[in-house]
Amino acid sequence: EIVMTQSPATLSVSPGERVTLSCRASQSVGINLAWYQQKPGQAPWLLFYDASTRTTGVPARFSGSGSGTEFSLTISSLQSEDFAVYYCQHYYSWPTFGQGTKVEIK
Amino acid sequence: QITLKESGPTLVKPTQTLTLTCTFSGFSLTTGGEGVGWIRQAPGKALEWLGHIRWDGDTWYSPSLKTRLSITKDTSKSQVVLTMTNMDPVDTATYYCAHRRGWELFKWFGPWGQGTLVTVSS
Repeated sequence: EIVMTQSPATLSVSPGERVTLSCRASQSVGINLAWYQQKPGQAPWLLFYDASTRTTGVPARFSGSGSGTEFSLTISSLQSEDFAVYYCQHYYSWPTFGQGTKVEIK
Repeated sequence: QITLKESGPTLVKPTQTLTLTCTFSGFSLTTGGEGVGWIRQAPGKALEWLGHIRWDGDTWYSPSLKTRLSITKDTSKSQVVLTMTNMDPVDTATYYCAHRRGWELFKWFGPWGQGTLVTVSS
């Protein structure tokens, strides 16, 4: 099993700030990585696949990067609607998800 | 537009078998590359992939749950059915179905259904 480790567990930030979320794989997954956003009471929403390919409707302030074992999700200027939990998921082999990073209002 | 919706019991007893149905629209499981996955999320916990079925009937399951899971499809009804045997309170979770597309064995998931909360309790 490939273990996905996200850090930090919680980020307290103010609107307008730049934030970077980290996701680390226990072994190389190439670029076979997706990012999801989940708001309370809602299903996850796919933000990125193949590490950096933005899906339809994702604002340009979001960017994904990385390969191998180190990945990051960056929000250039946090908006109120961006406060949520973010999960990474690899699909190099049978999928596993990270534990999530909660982005909360400071 | 692709949509999915889960349905099934909200409460099951320990040792019982859970059967959930995912009804979808906007794609067909007779089309090459299409598929549906199941993912669950225990209250306050992270997401856990359970398995998926592809257009060709190929199924893949989480190794830790493989002996308890079965995923089947009914293309005429645009439905995918998840069956999980020997339910335990630790299986209490919101169960999601989600669309997946691609020829590779494993992919990302999107969009997702709204999820259905299943509680396991006597």
